[in-house]
Amino acid sequence: EPEVTQTPSHQVTQMGQEVILRCVPISNHLYFYWYRQILGQKVEFLVSFYNNEISEKSEIFDDQFSVERPDGSNFTLKIRSTKLEDSAMYFCASRDRLNEKLFFGSGTQLSVL
Amino acid sequence: QKEVEQDPGPLSVPEGAIVSLNCTYSNSAFQYFMWYRQYSRKGPELLMYTYSSGNKEDGRFTAQVDKSSKYISLFIRDSQPSDSATYLCAMSIGYGNNRLAFGKGNQVVVIP
Repeated sequence: EPEVTQTPSHQVTQMGQEVILRCVPISNHLYFYWYRQILGQKVEFLVSFYNNEISEKSEIFDDQFSVERPDGSNFTLKIRSTKLEDSAMYFCASRDRLNEKLFFGSGTQLSVL
Repeated sequence: QKEVEQDPGPLSVPEGAIVSLNCTYSNSAFQYFMWYRQYSRKGPELLMYTYSSGNKEDGRFTAQVDKSSKYISLFIRDSQPSDSATYLCAMSIGYGNNRLAFGKGNQVVVIP
């Protein structure tokens, strides 16, 4: 079965540094998402992206966050100046136009020190 | 954030038992209800998806929705050790709206 690929699986960074989390959605999918899960907490919606623009974002997704689809295959989440509270597992997800089913990647564990 | 409540306590059952999981929600705008399974170090995987009150069956899995009580359930019959995972309920307000609100998840262990 096709899958969403996320790299790296683990990322350690210093507070204040910029990080870019990378995702390769399933090739014919058109809708892309980022979710995150802080340890012991719920999975939380961050942002949805369609047709090269953000379609919806949560209160968490402030000016420190941005998303980009730099080419036909990658989808990235950038955190400009990381804070300790950004430490979480970040999941990328995608779906096609016709199907409600979201496919999630295995996540990137971000640790901000 | 109290939109979706799922008692996160771990659950251990013997192989072959019925597993019963549930979630309550407060937002009556939720119309679509899902159950995800998450194995260790993996992303959530969709198990069941429904949008109406009542029961939906898929093999050993039954999803139940009671919109009047704002309560959803997942039943796993004849549980297997391979069912050991974390189960997350999730919901959204409309078709194509993938801003999912998740419960905290239940870790289920099926003991052989």
